[in-house]
Amino acid sequence: DQQVKQNSPSLSVQEGRISILNCDYTNSMFDYFLWYKKYPAEGPTFLISISSIKDKNEDGRFTVFLNKSAKHLSLHIVPSQPGDSAVYFCAARAVLRTYKYIFGTGTRLKVLA
Amino acid sequence: EAGVTQSPTHLIKTRGQQATLRCSPISGHTSVYWYQQALGLGLQFLLWYDEGEERNRGNFPPRFSGRQFPNYSSELNVNALELEDSALYLCASSSPTGQGYQPQHFGDGTRLSIL
Repeated sequence: DQQVKQNSPSLSVQEGRISILNCDYTNSMFDYFLWYKKYPAEGPTFLISISSIKDKNEDGRFTVFLNKSAKHLSLHIVPSQPGDSAVYFCAARAVLRTYKYIFGTGTRLKVLA
Repeated sequence: EAGVTQSPTHLIKTRGQQATLRCSPISGHTSVYWYQQALGLGLQFLLWYDEGEERNRGNFPPRFSGRQFPNYSSELNVNALELEDSALYLCASSSPTGQGYQPQHFGDGTRLSIL
């Protein structure tokens, strides 16, 4: 039962354009949503998070949007740069008796110069 | 500031053996998380330790176990290794849980290969 889904395994975008990575979830018991970036042979790096009570959070070129009614979040990268080429994971923190983090399967972004 | 360090980088074992993976969190972090990333899959939550106690566990069999030491470093032990245990094992640490969200900081992982 995959509670956090990234349905696009890969995405190619031209340098300077907008990259939009999508993520869907099925559980309403998540209190935070996060995006991580992962380069080959390195661990994931935290990018940005959003509380479930917000609908937008912005940090420089990165903006995360949360649509609770659709159980959907997206990461926008503007403008996209070749260094953004990596695998992007969305994750959610489940509020149970204790916290549990659930990750999507990742989307490989390739920014073309 | 030193990041999360994991050792060894690579580990090769055979079926039925036991593997021990180690993780040192960022200084000041009290929570340690373990994840498994098998080929083509996302990160699967394994274990969460905080202040020396196991706080949560993912859907993995009991042969996956671990512990957290008084200095907050952690070990992941995998007994009776099976071929499907071949994966990248990632450790992450975070600041003491309080109000709000404390992001997890990941190490570069241990690549476990079962022959």
